[in-house]
Amino acid sequence: AQSVAQPEDQVNVAEGNPLTVKCTYSVSGNPYLFWYVQYPNRGLQFLLKYITGDNLVKGSYGFEAEFNKSQTSFHLKKPSALVSDSALYFCAVRTGGGSQGNLIFGKGTKLSVKP
Amino acid sequence: KAGVTQTPRYLIKTRGQQVTLSCSPISGHRSVSWYQQTPGQGLQFLFEYFSETQRNKGNFPGRFSGRQFSNSRSEMNVSTLELGDSALYLCASSLDGGDTEAFFGQGTRLTVV
Repeated sequence: AQSVAQPEDQVNVAEGNPLTVKCTYSVSGNPYLFWYVQYPNRGLQFLLKYITGDNLVKGSYGFEAEFNKSQTSFHLKKPSALVSDSALYFCAVRTGGGSQGNLIFGKGTKLSVKP
Repeated sequence: KAGVTQTPRYLIKTRGQQVTLSCSPISGHRSVSWYQQTPGQGLQFLFEYFSETQRNKGNFPGRFSGRQFSNSRSEMNVSTLELGDSALYLCASSLDGGDTEAFFGQGTRLTVV
């Protein structure tokens, strides 16, 4: 069965410091991996995705993520955090290879960036 | 390009009633998925519709149902509401699932009293 784990409920970072939000996955077949961000009382916004190719994927608002097949991880990173990055972050996976399976989301990680 | 539109934004219903939520996807998107979001359970997949057919279904009781119209607009219905159905219901549309990203609406906040 597909699953996504976000091991940290909350990540605290000082503004200007690098941030990492962790995600590991378990799927059969090649994964399609996504990161979304949710601000209070809003829907989810797409940040970036990995389908195939270069393991380092760049997305919106300066975020990037690194796909690591051997560790089955897809960690979200940003070199310099902003207070406005504070939000809830979700990792999601869909089985690839042409499958039309549904998106499975992790529990979410609350990112708090302090001035 | 208009985004995903969900109506209504807020609903208060009484136990035992039924409710219908609506979702208008981005123009050209044929896949519409529904999710239930609660603080305790996170985002849980309800079902996905593609070209008017239910393509995937999550582990929810039969009280939860949906449909998709020929213009890709989708509705979900919850019958015999329970207190535990109180949640944010999110709709997401994508071109055809697969490797295409999903775009989410702002959600419908359902409160069952």
